[in-house]
Amino acid sequence: GENVEQHPSTLSVQEGDSAVIKCTYSDSASNYFPWYKQELGKRPQLIIDIRSNVGEKKDQRIAVTLNKTAKHFSLHITETQPEDSAVYFCAANSGYSTLTFGKGTMLLVSP
Amino acid sequence: EAQVTQNPRYLITVTGKKLTVTCSQNMNHEYMSWYRQDPGLGLRQIYYSMNVEVTDKGDVPEGYKVSRKEKRNFPLILESPSPNQTSLYFCASSLSRTGDTGELFFGEGSRLTVL
Repeated sequence: GENVEQHPSTLSVQEGDSAVIKCTYSDSASNYFPWYKQELGKRPQLIIDIRSNVGEKKDQRIAVTLNKTAKHFSLHITETQPEDSAVYFCAANSGYSTLTFGKGTMLLVSP
Repeated sequence: EAQVTQNPRYLITVTGKKLTVTCSQNMNHEYMSWYRQDPGLGLRQIYYSMNVEVTDKGDVPEGYKVSRKEKRNFPLILESPSPNQTSLYFCASSLSRTGDTGELFFGEGSRLTVL
């Protein structure tokens, strides 16, 4: 089955800095890669996703890049703000009807 | 309001006492799924369902049962809970019929402690 590795497990940045979270996947047939944000005590919520026919996607301060050859994808957050502090999960689909999640990255943005 | 509703939100129980966590969605989604979240392990899928009366095992199905008698409901059943099932549980539904190519809408979570 699919295996998704996510790094780093924790990331501390100063407000205004950029943050990058990286994920690798094992199944070359995977074609959908979402990112979820989970604030403390809340449910995970989709923030951005990318499909395999696209190399990069942006939404305001958030961007995701995909390298199918290397089987890795990354989340980039620019001009970080304290409200960006949360746990971020990457995921990749595998086979049929399954999304495999990474173990998560706790992002702390200090004022 | 479109939502996924889980109950109970918090539960403390004892080993062996059967319990059910209910999940209901009002978005007419065909796909529903259960995940458990444990520190350092991320979100792991327990069971999923692509339609009424159709359920399949995820990555960690041992000790759990599910049923899908109605489109909107997908209860998670722990027949004989054990302490290793202490966890935070999330129900989710998706517009994507297969659940793997579209947004997952999560419930608020159910924190279960088994003593």
